[in-house]
Amino acid sequence: AQKITQTQPGMFVQEKEAVTLDCTYDTSDQSYGLFWYKQPSSGEMIFLIYQGSYDEQNATEGRYSLNFQKARKSANLVISASQLGDSAMYFCAMREILSGSARQLTFGSGTQLTVLP
Amino acid sequence: DTGVSQDPRHKITKRGQNVTFRCDPISEHNRLYWYRQTLGQGPEFLTYFQNEAQLEKSRLLSDRFSAERPKGSFSTLEIQRTEQGDSAMYLCASSREGYQETQYFGPGTRLLVL
Repeated sequence: AQKITQTQPGMFVQEKEAVTLDCTYDTSDQSYGLFWYKQPSSGEMIFLIYQGSYDEQNATEGRYSLNFQKARKSANLVISASQLGDSAMYFCAMREILSGSARQLTFGSGTQLTVLP
Repeated sequence: DTGVSQDPRHKITKRGQNVTFRCDPISEHNRLYWYRQTLGQGPEFLTYFQNEAQLEKSRLLSDRFSAERPKGSFSTLEIQRTEQGDSAMYLCASSREGYQETQYFGPGTRLLVL
């Protein structure tokens, strides 16, 4: 069964507007971490934001925030005030802390975000 | 604080040749990971080191693949007798063991097998 699902292969947003990228996950662990990474066309995976399963508050990092809904098993990324440089592929990932193999990350298939001027 | 570095950034080889990639992690990170990413997909885990010990290998890592991390510093990933299906981006990541452990990735090595 797919553990991380990103249902939006592509998204468009107007510059300066906010955009939400969807991510749902599947795990039976109580302890896990959720991550978002950005991958520009150059290929490097850039860490954006982390949410722990026990964190009561939604994580925020600058213009990035994570809308964590534990009961729904969703961890959507919200980018506020989009910039042209935000155009990239975005990946949601999970690390299951107790039952997961090693400490590996399991990634979704990604969402290609294009910011329009 | 320098990030994770990988060398080479690009590699073109002929089927059947051996290739070796290098990863230098962030200096204080004791964990190192290798992932493979094919076009249009998210990265897939290959193997993981804690210090110099290789603790986990994915079933994606066939017998033609071998990874080492001597002295717990840099790591190498070797692919023997390359096949066209090995063409992919090979990503290395490192992390420091602890709460809210986060993996930081290098720029990757793009491999093309002709």
